[in-house]
Amino acid sequence: QVQLQESGPGLMKPSQTLSLTCTVSGGSFSSGSYFWTWIRQPAGKGLEWIGRIYASGSTNYNPSLKSRVTISVDKSKNQFSLKVISVTAADTAVYYCARSAGHPNPVDYWGRGNLVTVSS
Amino acid sequence: SYVLTQPPSVSVAPEKTARITCGANNIGTKSVHWYQQKPGQAPVVVISFDTDRPSGIPERFSGSNSGNVATLTINRVEAADEADYYCQVWVSGGDQVVFGGGTKLTVL
Repeated sequence: QVQLQESGPGLMKPSQTLSLTCTVSGGSFSSGSYFWTWIRQPAGKGLEWIGRIYASGSTNYNPSLKSRVTISVDKSKNQFSLKVISVTAADTAVYYCARSAGHPNPVDYWGRGNLVTVSS
Repeated sequence: SYVLTQPPSVSVAPEKTARITCGANNIGTKSVHWYQQKPGQAPVVVISFDTDRPSGIPERFSGSNSGNVATLTINRVEAADEADYYCQVWVSGGDQVVFGGGTKLTVL
């Protein structure tokens, strides 16, 4: 059974850089057949796709966030990571890491989510 | 950009049928996935590829997709179906994943 677990800060100040890591267990990370994805959800609002990385390292990002976001992968640790620079209160959200078996497949496994609050 | 439009809320009495729509230009040419999200939990796929029901999802859940509207139908609604529902597509042109704004289903 695939499991994903986010780790990272809960509270940040404006202008800082958000760094989140997702650790994957269950044996699928190195198979090369999946997209590893970050999705966020502000409190009381809908889901927003941030971007994804393929096992090869190729990435794709939401155009609205592309200038501030980087997703990377560390296959040796079965982890992938998200960095968001210059955060503001608008970046306050639950951040989910997730997996899909490539497009156009749905997201089939999700982490439990990591609440990040940006406040001065 | 490709926008998926869902009604913010749908209310239905128990045992009745709920229909949640997801509208977009020529959405019938894309594969639509539907997620159910309960408070404090991650979303779960209830319908994939327009009409496929994953293992463990009740037969009461079904989907359709044609023209400019995709629809999630829940028959014989139960209290446990109360949740937020999101539609999602992949837009090949920009290689983007897009979610609808979500619909809150209330069971009266």
